[in-house]
This record gives sequence, structure tokens and C-alpha cells, in this order.
Amino acid sequence: DGGITQSPKYLFRKEGQNVTLSCEQNLNHDAMYWYRQDPGQGLRLIYYSQIVNDFQKGDIAEGYSVSREKKESFPLTVTSAQKNPTAFYLCARSIQPGQGSEQYFGPGTRLTVT
Amino acid sequence: QQQVKQSPQSLIVQKGGISIINCAYENTAFDYFPWYQQFPGKGPALLIAIRPDVSEKKEGRFTISFNKSAKQFSLHIMDSQPGDSATYFCAAQKGGSARQLTFGSGTQLTVLP
Repeated sequence: DGGITQSPKYLFRKEGQNVTLSCEQNLNHDAMYWYRQDPGQGLRLIYYSQIVNDFQKGDIAEGYSVSREKKESFPLTVTSAQKNPTAFYLCARSIQPGQGSEQYFGPGTRLTVT
Repeated sequence: QQQVKQSPQSLIVQKGGISIINCAYENTAFDYFPWYQQFPGKGPALLIAIRPDVSEKKEGRFTISFNKSAKQFSLHIMDSQPGDSATYFCAAQKGGSARQLTFGSGTQLTVLP
């Protein structure tokens, strides 16, 4: 799974609750990314981080938050402010921006909010 | 604004045939073009990638053709097999430190036995 662990595989939450998705990598890579995938659509970037304690908004960051306290971990919180949180969430890693350009994805977490 | 346009949305090919998926981009700052393969319920897997300084790259049955002047690139799957049935995404990456990927909308490929 691209050297990335995402848990859990399926997550169910009630509307109005915040939920945190886990992403862990064990390859000592600098860059990590969160994408959202909706049925029949491509992936859209939520947040990315190039180094510890630093992260940047992607194209659809509203309603989401992240942290990067450790190099190996990049958790994503889906807040109650996210209007359409039900989606497939994918975490990715990359060796270092500007050098190895390849991004490798984890197995994903499918979040359902009712 | 859709920066990477992918077609067709779905494709059905007979076993042994050639599958062709096309992508077009708008931003000339893109400098890296990967293709990903995704099976249902799984994360996308990097299949093959190309940089704009070459016009073609081949890895096994998979070939990327790249036309810089037309801002188009395509994936060719030779001798398509039922196991190739999946969704394929093209993507483009801009130069610079962030290296964000912009994805096409995907092509669902079905290879009939």
C-alpha cells in the first residue's frame, strides 16, 4: 500500500461530529498529502506537508484541518464545518518535493457521515 | 477550472486489444505526468510516468505518448487483459517545491475475456 498505513478502512460518523483520519508512513519521507475522492471523479488535494510542523492548504481545505508533529504521521480532521464529508480519503507520500516526484498512495479510508 | 481533461470516461476492450486513454492539459508549468491505476476500494497505484523532454516511454505493455506542442498525452495498454480492468487516472505536476498533483477525472476500463 505504497508504504502508508491508513486507519480505519471504514469510518462512520453522525453529522455534526469531528472525526480524525490516521495516516502513517515508515519510509522517512518528507512530503505527505491528503486527497479526497468522490464517486466518478478524480482526486482533489486537501492539504500537504513538506516538513514537520509545516503544512499548506490544497484546493479544497475548507472544513478540514491537519497536523504534522512527527515526520511519520499526518492526521486529517474532518470538522463539522465540512458540508459534504462523505468521501474516500487518500493519503500519499513523496520522497522530497523537487527531487523524487513520485507520489505513492495508501489504501484509503472511506468516511460515511449520516 | 479543470486543468487536466481525460477521455473517455469509460472504455470497453476485448482481451488482447489495445486500450487508449487520452489526457489534455492547459498549464505549461506542468513538468511531470504520471498515470495511476486504481482497483475498487483501493488506493491508486503509480503505473508509469513521463517528463516532457521525451515523446514516449514504455514499460512492459504500458506506453505513454507525449505531445508537448499539443499539450496532450495518452496511455496505451497493449494486449489488454481482464486483470487490467480498473480505473485509470492521468495526472500532472507543476514544478516548484510543492509538487502538487492535478488529476484527470478517470477512465473506467473493462477488458472482456
